[in-house]
Amino acid sequence: QLVQSGAEVKKPGASVKVSCRASGYPFIIHNIDWVRQAPGQGLEWMGWLNPNSGFTAYAPKFRGRVTMTRDTSITTAYMELSGLTSNDTAIYYCARGAIYTSNSGARGSGMDVWGQGTTVIVSS
Amino acid sequence: EIVLTQSPGTLSLSPGERATLSCRASQSVDTSSLGWYQKKPGQAPRLLICGTSIRPTGIPDRFSGSGSGTNFTLTIDKLEPEDFAVYYCHHYGSSPRPFGQGTRLELK
Repeated sequence: QLVQSGAEVKKPGASVKVSCRASGYPFIIHNIDWVRQAPGQGLEWMGWLNPNSGFTAYAPKFRGRVTMTRDTSITTAYMELSGLTSNDTAIYYCARGAIYTSNSGARGSGMDVWGQGTTVIVSS
Repeated sequence: EIVLTQSPGTLSLSPGERATLSCRASQSVDTSSLGWYQKKPGQAPRLLICGTSIRPTGIPDRFSGSGSGTNFTLTIDKLEPEDFAVYYCHHYGSSPRPFGQGTRLELK
């Protein structure tokens, strides 16, 4: 499972760091993606982290503002977002990437285990 | 950069009916990377389909996916009351990995 840190309230211009602790599976085997949902909006993919190598890839919208890291000793991934504005008020989710194989041998990938979400409110 | 467009925006149906949700990609995508998620208020998203048509363990067989190239479909047979939610297609390939804007499946 993935367990995220608690809700945060931040001032505009501040940074927030959300943690995502993994348990029940080998942490370094599965990528971790981060997704957010602002109030009344759809799901928005932010980026992903390879917990083994530390490699990251970010959505263009967040490059320069987001940093994804991990601490393998405590099987925890982190997402830090800086320069917060009210538009960053959202629920932030971490999710585990997985690969599935069908009976016919076809392969598919997706995010199969999700954290419970962390509410981040940005308000002056 | 791939853009996913879902239709319709809202689908109004009754329990027992069949729902057909569409997802169109702005360019051809690998079938292994196209997935569908269910989202209910107050809950994390739930993976329903990956690899266009693969159902992870525990997903009821009334959910099925199909498609190729730029056109993909999620079909829900014999709608149950718990199926009324928002559904998103998603490209889980090379970055970026966009979601569609969602289809709201509502009770008629």
